Amino acid sequence: GDSVTQMEGPVTLSEEAFLTINCTYTATGYPSLFWYVQYPGEGLQLLLKATKADDKGSNKGFEATYRKETTSFHLEKGSVQVSDSAVYFCALRGAQKLVFGQGTRLTINP
Amino acid sequence: DAGVIQSPRHEVTEMGQEVTLRCKPISGHDYLFWYRQTMMRGLELLIYFNNNVPIDDSGMPEDRFSAKMPNASFSTLKIQPSEPRDSAVYFCASTPGGGYETQYFGPGTRLLVL
Repeated sequence: GDSVTQMEGPVTLSEEAFLTINCTYTATGYPSLFWYVQYPGEGLQLLLKATKADDKGSNKGFEATYRKETTSFHLEKGSVQVSDSAVYFCALRGAQKLVFGQGTRLTINP
Repeated sequence: DAGVIQSPRHEVTEMGQEVTLRCKPISGHDYLFWYRQTMMRGLELLIYFNNNVPIDDSGMPEDRFSAKMPNASFSTLKIQPSEPRDSAVYFCASTPGGGYETQYFGPGTRLLVL
C-alpha cells in the first residue's frame, strides 16, 4: 500500500543554518505530495504542496520539489529561524485519504 | 472563520470511564477526519466521514471506540471503557468537498487515562 518515509529526528540546527528533511514515498501512480507543520501545542497545518512531477511547492522560505524518478519530496530551507522549531510531516494523497510520514522534530537554537 | 473547534482541550480520566471528544468542523466542509497522535505510533487516521456518513473506520483500534456525526456541524469520538493505552492527542480535521488534500486541523484534545 501507499507509504511515506521521513528521515528520523530529532534534528537540531543553529539559526541561519541550511535545512533538509528527507521524504520518500511508495505509491501507485503519481499522487499529490504535501508537507504539514505542527507547532508546539497546535494541530497540523499545511506548509506546502505539489500536485505533479517536477512541481515545486514553496511557502515561508521552505521549498520541496516533486521528484518522480527518486520518489522523493525533500523539504529545504536556506536559513532557518528559531520560530521554525516544530514537527514536520510529509504526506501523500492516497485513495480517499492522506497518508502521513512519522514526523520529524526540528529544533533551532539561537 | 473560527477554524476547526475541539473540546475539551485537555481531559484526565480514570481507567474504565467513558470519554467523549467533540469536534465542530469548518462550515461548508464535507469531510471530517479523526486522528490519534502518540509518540510510539505517530499520527494515525481513525475514521473519516463524508457528508456525515462514515466512509472508512478501519483505523478504529477496537470496539471500545465509536464515532458519530449526527449533522454537518458536529462529530463525537467516544471511548468506552477507557484504558491507559488510549492516552494520546486526538485531532479532528475537516476539508471542503471536492478535495481532501488540504486538511484543516483542530488544536487537538490531550487525553490522559490514569
